[in-house]
Amino acid sequence: QKEVEQNSGPLSVPEGAIASLNCTYSDRGSQSFFWYRQYSGKSPELIMSIYSNGDKEDGRFTAQLNKASQYVSLLIRDSQPSDSATYLCAARWLRWGGNQFYFGTGTSLTVIP
Amino acid sequence: NAGVTQTPKFQVLKTGQSMTLQCAQDMNHNSMYWYRQDPGMGLRLIYYSASEGTTDKGEVPNGYNVSRLNKREFSLRLESAAPSQTSVYFCASRAPAQSSYEQYFGPGTRLTVT
Repeated sequence: QKEVEQNSGPLSVPEGAIASLNCTYSDRGSQSFFWYRQYSGKSPELIMSIYSNGDKEDGRFTAQLNKASQYVSLLIRDSQPSDSATYLCAARWLRWGGNQFYFGTGTSLTVIP
Repeated sequence: NAGVTQTPKFQVLKTGQSMTLQCAQDMNHNSMYWYRQDPGMGLRLIYYSASEGTTDKGEVPNGYNVSRLNKREFSLRLESAAPSQTSVYFCASRAPAQSSYEQYFGPGTRLTVT
C-alpha cells in the first residue's frame, strides 16, 4: 500500500472555477503535509503546508486536513490557466534518522480558458 | 542566492558506467535529500542526510551511494548504472522546523542509461 495516494486525474476545470485536489495517507504518525506544484519539465515548488486539523488559507489556495479520516485536500479558487500543472501531495514522518517525506504520484490539473 | 543547484542537467550513460550527481545549497540548511521521479511513480526518496556527517537510506537506496561532503554539498553516486536507473533525479534541502519543514528542490538531472 502506498503511503500517500492521490487521484492521478487528469482533472479539468474551466477558468474561474474551483479546483479540488484530494490526497489520503496511510500512517497516523504523519506529522505534517504539503502541497507542491510541478510544471512539466520543472522541479516541484511548495504551495502550502498544513499540520493542524482544519483549513489553512493562502490567497486563492486553501488546504484542508482531517487527521481522523487521514485526508488532505487542496482547493484552488478562481482557477487560472497558469494553475495548469501537476500537484503533488506529501506527508512528513519523523524516522530514526530524521524527517522523511513520502509523495503521492500527483494529480494533473488543466484549467481551460 | 542560488538556492539548490544540481549538475549535470542531462546525462546519458551506458550500462555499467559510473557517475556522480552533484548538489549544493546556499540556504544553510542542515537536511538534504535525493529523490528520483519516474512516470506514474511520483517522487521516491533515495537517501537523505539530516545533518553534516550523517546519511540514511530512504525508500529506494539500492544501486546508489551518497556523500555529505559538507553542510552545503550532498552528492549521489551510481557505481554501475543500470537501465532501471533511468529517471529524473532531484536534490532538495529542507528548512528547519521553525519554517514548517519546507523543502526546496533543485532543477533536476535527467539521466538516461542505455
